[in-house]
Amino acid sequence: GQQLNQSPQSMFIQEGEDVSMNCTSSSIFNTWLWYKQEPGEGPVLLIALYKAGELTSNGRLTAQFGITRKDSFLNISASIPSDVGIYFCAGQDSGGSNYKLTFGKGTLLTVNP
Amino acid sequence: DAGVIQSPRHEVTEMGQEVTLRCKPISGHNSLFWYRQTMMRGLELLIYFNNNVPIDDSGMPEDRFSAKMPNASFSTLKIQPSEPRDSAVYFCASSFLLTKQPQHFGDGTRLSIL
Repeated sequence: GQQLNQSPQSMFIQEGEDVSMNCTSSSIFNTWLWYKQEPGEGPVLLIALYKAGELTSNGRLTAQFGITRKDSFLNISASIPSDVGIYFCAGQDSGGSNYKLTFGKGTLLTVNP
Repeated sequence: DAGVIQSPRHEVTEMGQEVTLRCKPISGHNSLFWYRQTMMRGLELLIYFNNNVPIDDSGMPEDRFSAKMPNASFSTLKIQPSEPRDSAVYFCASSFLLTKQPQHFGDGTRLSIL
């Protein structure tokens, strides 16, 4: 089955630093999504990418859909304590079952004030 | 706008008991998804409904698991009988596929089977 490799698994940074995380896949996806999950809550959508090469920003967050359709990255600039959480990438199947999302294992972000 | 609503938020029960998890999708969404999240396996899709019809239940672990969607505003995930290895956080998500709208998640049900 499809697999997503998300890295790093965890990050410990100081407030104000920039953060970068990425996902790679053995398969092509036609949509990449980035979610953030905080304790006791469900994943919340941050950014959706629909075209290869697309670069999209949402405030301090920027994400790109790789040209090969097999990778994506998420950058957070000038991190703040409320950025703490688990960040998940998800790829949407490009086959007939185009509803299906495959999730990475997540990147746990800790921001020290 | 109300998001995806799940109940209960927490459930603790003894093995062998029947467990029913409930979900109300976002109004107007035509697709509903049940996921299970564990430390070991991450987020796994269990079953997917489109227009209230189950489309793919290949992720349902065993016959002990069943899901229904009697109408567009309500779905249940049932485990009978429950086992300790079913302990996990169960999420419901909904979307409107025709517009390629991404899935929006509820806050989950944390299930503990003793």
